[in-house]
Amino acid sequence: GAVVSQHPSWVICKSGTSVKIECRSLDFQATTMFWYRQFPKQSLMLMATSNEGSKATYEQGVEKDKFLINHASLTLSTLTVTSAHPEDSSFYICSARGGGLNYEQYFGPGTRLTVT
Amino acid sequence: SQQGEEDPQALSIQEGENATMNCSYKTSINNLQWYRQNSGRGLVHLILIRSNEREKHSGRLRVTLDTSKKSSSLLITASRAADTASYFCATHTGNQFYFGTGTSLTVIP
Repeated sequence: GAVVSQHPSWVICKSGTSVKIECRSLDFQATTMFWYRQFPKQSLMLMATSNEGSKATYEQGVEKDKFLINHASLTLSTLTVTSAHPEDSSFYICSARGGGLNYEQYFGPGTRLTVT
Repeated sequence: SQQGEEDPQALSIQEGENATMNCSYKTSINNLQWYRQNSGRGLVHLILIRSNEREKHSGRLRVTLDTSKKSSSLLITASRAADTASYFCATHTGNQFYFGTGTSLTVIP
């Protein structure tokens, strides 16, 4: 089946620094990738949708200058959390979807970010 | 918010019993999917039901969809302790994909 990887699986960074999370589709071309954030014991909240080669579409309330998303190729999307604050600590999950009528999304294993 | 809602928020049952979770959503959809998440882990896709389908089965899972009521249910039959997890519905509309609030299921051995 389709596999999506994320790297790193966990990261600790200091306040004010930036951290980059990678999301890769390993065995298919992902025309669309999605980034979600999940706080403890809560659901996944969609942050943004990105299509390869175009700018990401951010959900209301998500700061695009703080959460930079790049989807430069059909197998890689990156999320950069800039000037991280402790309240950015969360579980970040990406998903990828192929083209055509295959609506199924394939999720990465998630990245645990802790900002100290 | 486009987010769907699930009930119950938490469900605790004995092993062997059936578990039913419900999901309500707000807009018309292309399809609805159910996912499972073990604590602190990624998501596992369980089943997809399209908007023109009313019921779907996969092993011990049975999903129903009522588009007139904008609701879906997930039934897990003959539950096992290993079914303990959080279960989320997710609706797909256009290029948008939104998760429900989730149901935390505990199956007591």
